[in-house]
Amino acid sequence: GESVGLHLPTLSVQEGDNSIINCAYSNSASDYFIWYKQESGKGPQFIIDIRSNMDKRQGQRVTVLLNKTVKHLSLQIAATQPGDSAVYFCAENTGGGYNKLIFGAGTRLAVHP
Amino acid sequence: DTEVTQTPKHLVMGMTNKKSLKCEQHMGHRAMYWYKQKAKKPPELMFVYSYEKLSINESVPSRFSPECPNSSLLNLHLHALQPEDSALYLCASSQPGLAGPGELFFGEGSRLTVL
Repeated sequence: GESVGLHLPTLSVQEGDNSIINCAYSNSASDYFIWYKQESGKGPQFIIDIRSNMDKRQGQRVTVLLNKTVKHLSLQIAATQPGDSAVYFCAENTGGGYNKLIFGAGTRLAVHP
Repeated sequence: DTEVTQTPKHLVMGMTNKKSLKCEQHMGHRAMYWYKQKAKKPPELMFVYSYEKLSINESVPSRFSPECPNSSLLNLHLHALQPEDSALYLCASSQPGLAGPGELFFGEGSRLTVL
């Protein structure tokens, strides 16, 4: 299930299940979006990106969906594994020609055996 | 292994000290970034350098002073910091892009504690 509170929102899933992590972005002019994974004690790691002229992009076990009408981004992880446990951030480029990548609040994914 | 190297990994400093964080990349990227990350929060953009020139300063206090000596190196000079500046400082690099930064490669971060 999902919980929101004083801590990072947490999504708990069983190993092997599919996970869906959601993100609401703020700027309707943003033209580029990235999902990052951050494990404890490490820097963010690129997962997948999508440009605003697309609504879906697939990678290996991951799919990103973009709904510009409601400014919503989601990350789907197929067959979730214990190694997927981490904090996931969406990020949007708000800078036009400049490189101004702004991160969303983040969701912790906890995968249980 | 990350291709963006940050040193030191940990730094403890007093409020009157002067110290520097260093970042190095050898991927030929021409955009470099500093982000600040507090516990359980997302990274917050501080500075962006593009082709060794400061292109974005997100209203960061002057006690943080960035420097980009060449296309591979990025420094963050620290002076007269406050305890609330304690955080993980992340460096990243990418190719500059007209429609977005492309993939940002992050280092492991420098964890700063200000006493």
